[in-house]
Amino acid sequence: EADIYQTPRYLVIGTGKKITLECSQTMGHDKMYWYQQDPGMELHLIHYSYGVNSTEKGDLSSESTVSRIRTEHFPLTLESARPSHTSQYLCASSVAGNYGYTFGSGTRLTVV
Amino acid sequence: KNEVEQSPQNLTAQEGEFITINCSYSVGISALHWLQQHPGGGIVSLFMLSSGKKKHGRLIATINIQEKHSSLHITASHPRDSAVYICAESSLRDDKIIFGKGTRLHILP
Repeated sequence: EADIYQTPRYLVIGTGKKITLECSQTMGHDKMYWYQQDPGMELHLIHYSYGVNSTEKGDLSSESTVSRIRTEHFPLTLESARPSHTSQYLCASSVAGNYGYTFGSGTRLTVV
Repeated sequence: KNEVEQSPQNLTAQEGEFITINCSYSVGISALHWLQQHPGGGIVSLFMLSSGKKKHGRLIATINIQEKHSSLHITASHPRDSAVYICAESSLRDDKIIFGKGTRLHILP
């Protein structure tokens, strides 16, 4: 039973379009993360948040932006999609103090 | 250079075999994670450990802090265990996780 939800599961979109990937969790976790994963490769952190109104860029440069207006919601937005953005995007959350992470099912994005 | 190294990268075994996947890390950690990723991409957290050994069903995870090494074992492997197993560390520097590249496991019936 998933406590962290990502939508859409799959998305094919044209170059130049603006898109928002949704991530919501029902566990009241303070920390939330967005990871990008290319096929067969490791996950890379692109954004994270330690709580409401807190957002930080991760280790991998990304042209996306995030917001954290509510604890449970951490959407990721691409203002102008490009084929290089084709990847899988995984959302995760955790409580403070590294007490385990919960991952969403991911959004597989294809930009054509 | 990835701070988290896993071996092997790929592993094919027969159903019933005992499986071991290894993970080495290079910096001080607050916790070591083992994750499972099935085709289709969803990730499930299997274990989080900072010392000793944990067991859940047929899965066992161990960690040796001095040697900076962890292992994931699967007993009586089954085709449904086929997945990518990812080792990850939570660094002492910050709360972020550093992931290994994963081990692709394929169990043949």
